Amino acid sequence: RKEVEQDPGPFNVPEGATVAFNCTYSNSASQSFFWYRQDCRKEPKLLMSVYSSGNEDGRFTAQLNRASQYISLLIRDSKLSDSATYLCVVNAGGADGLTFGKGTHLIIQP
Amino acid sequence: SQTIHQWPATLVQPVGSPLSLECTVEGTSNPNLYWYRQAAGRGLQLLFYSVGIGQISSEVPQNLSASRPQDRQFILSSKKLLLSDSGFYLCAWSQGPGGYEQYFGPGTRLTVT
Repeated sequence: RKEVEQDPGPFNVPEGATVAFNCTYSNSASQSFFWYRQDCRKEPKLLMSVYSSGNEDGRFTAQLNRASQYISLLIRDSKLSDSATYLCVVNAGGADGLTFGKGTHLIIQP
Repeated sequence: SQTIHQWPATLVQPVGSPLSLECTVEGTSNPNLYWYRQAAGRGLQLLFYSVGIGQISSEVPQNLSASRPQDRQFILSSKKLLLSDSGFYLCAWSQGPGGYEQYFGPGTRLTVT
């Protein structure tokens, strides 16, 4: 079983729409959760951390469901510049750092 | 503020040649450092991580090695490159072990021919 699973997409979404991604993780001991954004041929960049109570940053909302072991990312009023691959990232508390999903590819269409 | 540098940005090397990629971090002390590889169309694979000078942990057995000669310097090396070593190599740092968010350098795109 993969440790962090994401739908690879692509998700083709019209500009201005709302889009949501889910990600599931296998290790119930996971303590830290993040969403990263990676543009084509660029390095991943931290988008937001995911807290147990859920958190919002502008048009982006992240939620954590520990019971079902999934994380979600909601993007409202999507912009062309939101086109990217979104990586779900989880840590189980070990010193070796974070486990990255393979990403969900999002394409915002004009 | 902290910044992380990697070089070179792009590299084309023949099979069997050596490799040395360098990563340096500025604006922080005693960071955790990581080397990842991202093959075309695939996810990030953790290769090595380091919690301090001279301390290297390997995640994947292969013909690559890593060294940390200074607190904020992390080097990835190979004595003889294989075709399968092609990929996007990313260095990252975090403030502590495990659950801290990581920040990535711009990466080195390596093509082995």
